[in-house]
Amino acid sequence: GENVEQHPSTLSVQEGDSAVIKCTYSDSASNYFPWYKQELGKRPQLIIDIRSNVGEKKDQRIAVTLNKTAKHFSLHITETQPEDSAVYFCAAHSGGGADGLTFGKGTHLIIQP
Amino acid sequence: EAGVAQSPRYKIIEKRQSVAFWCNPISGHATLYWYQQILGQGPKLLIQFQNNGVVDDSQLPKDRFSAERLKGVDSTLKIQPAKLEDSAVYLCASSLGGGYGEKLFFGSGTQLSVL
Repeated sequence: GENVEQHPSTLSVQEGDSAVIKCTYSDSASNYFPWYKQELGKRPQLIIDIRSNVGEKKDQRIAVTLNKTAKHFSLHITETQPEDSAVYFCAAHSGGGADGLTFGKGTHLIIQP
Repeated sequence: EAGVAQSPRYKIIEKRQSVAFWCNPISGHATLYWYQQILGQGPKLLIQFQNNGVVDDSQLPKDRFSAERLKGVDSTLKIQPAKLEDSAVYLCASSLGGGYGEKLFFGSGTQLSVL
């Protein structure tokens, strides 16, 4: 089955700086890569996703890049703000009938004022 | 729109007891998922339903866990008997079910503590 590795486990950045979270996956058939944000005590929510036919996608201050050859994808957050503090999870979906996602272990992003 | 509803919000039981969780997905969503999230880890898929049929239960510990989705709407997840390592947040999620790569909508989860 799919295996998703995520780094770092904790990331602390100064407010206004950029943050980068990286993930690798094992199944070359994987074709969909979403990122979920989970604030303390709340449910995970989708913030951005990318499909295997695209190398990069951007939504305001958030961008995701995908390198299918190397089997890794990254989340980039620019001009970080206090409300960006949360745990971020990357995930991968392998092709086939089942739609369930395999999640990474999460990155706790801390925005320092 | 109404979100994914789950109950109870918290549950504390002793090991070897049984427990059940309930989930009501977003209206019209054909696909329903149960995830287990252990503290400090990402959600792990336990079971996926498409309408009232099971699509994937490969990671469900079937000797103690069971789930059903009668009539293709609400779902219940049961653990019997519970073990200490079952302490986790159990998240229910739903999606439209039209194909891969759909947005998952998560419920608030049930936090289970097994003592």
